[in-house]
Amino acid sequence: GQSLEQPSEVTAVEGAIVQINCTYQTSGFYGLSWYQQHDGGAPTFLSYNALDGLEETGRFSSFLSRSDSYGYLLLQELQMKDSASYFCAVRDSYNNNDMRFGAGTRLTVKP
Amino acid sequence: DTAVSQTPKYLVTQMGNDKSIKCEQNLGHDTMYWYKQDSKKFLKIMFSYNNKELIINETVPNRFSPKSPDKAHLNLHINSLELGDSAVYFCASSQEWDRGQGKLFFGSGTQLSVL
Repeated sequence: GQSLEQPSEVTAVEGAIVQINCTYQTSGFYGLSWYQQHDGGAPTFLSYNALDGLEETGRFSSFLSRSDSYGYLLLQELQMKDSASYFCAVRDSYNNNDMRFGAGTRLTVKP
Repeated sequence: DTAVSQTPKYLVTQMGNDKSIKCEQNLGHDTMYWYKQDSKKFLKIMFSYNNKELIINETVPNRFSPKSPDKAHLNLHINSLELGDSAVYFCASSQEWDRGQGKLFFGSGTQLSVL
């Protein structure tokens, strides 16, 4: 089977650092993706990790540990505009390699 | 110059009606998808369409049927709409190698409300 677990909600203040964790179970793993979705908007791609380690893109970084079936998205210098839902996703090799998404983590950034 | 565009943005209709949602991508991608996002924001894949090969998620009722006139379009037709079909439907696309990178481009979504 295939499942992704991530916290449902996270709250932080402007300027802070927040980490959103994701654990996964898949029959065939290729990589872990992260998407951001603002209320009323479309999911937008943030990052992808296929190998262990940290990938940095500006204020956002994503980490993967294949041996632990675990990854996280790290958001630094939080801004109000970062308030959104964040989804981790994996390719499902048993279903045409289609992207399967976690339930999402609602991040609220407070002043 | 929108990459993935879908219409309409909002769709309000009565139970039992048949409706369609259109999707077009101008990215030259070879794979398109339909996702359903429920009220709890759970994104669930419904279909993927690649090089005229349709992969259907087995949990999708056969009232839902995708139609692809060409590589740039994947429309969604829904027959006999039910209350439980109310959700936001997202079209998405990717290039095959991009799919391997886990990168999908989403349309802006269609909010379907069945009354």
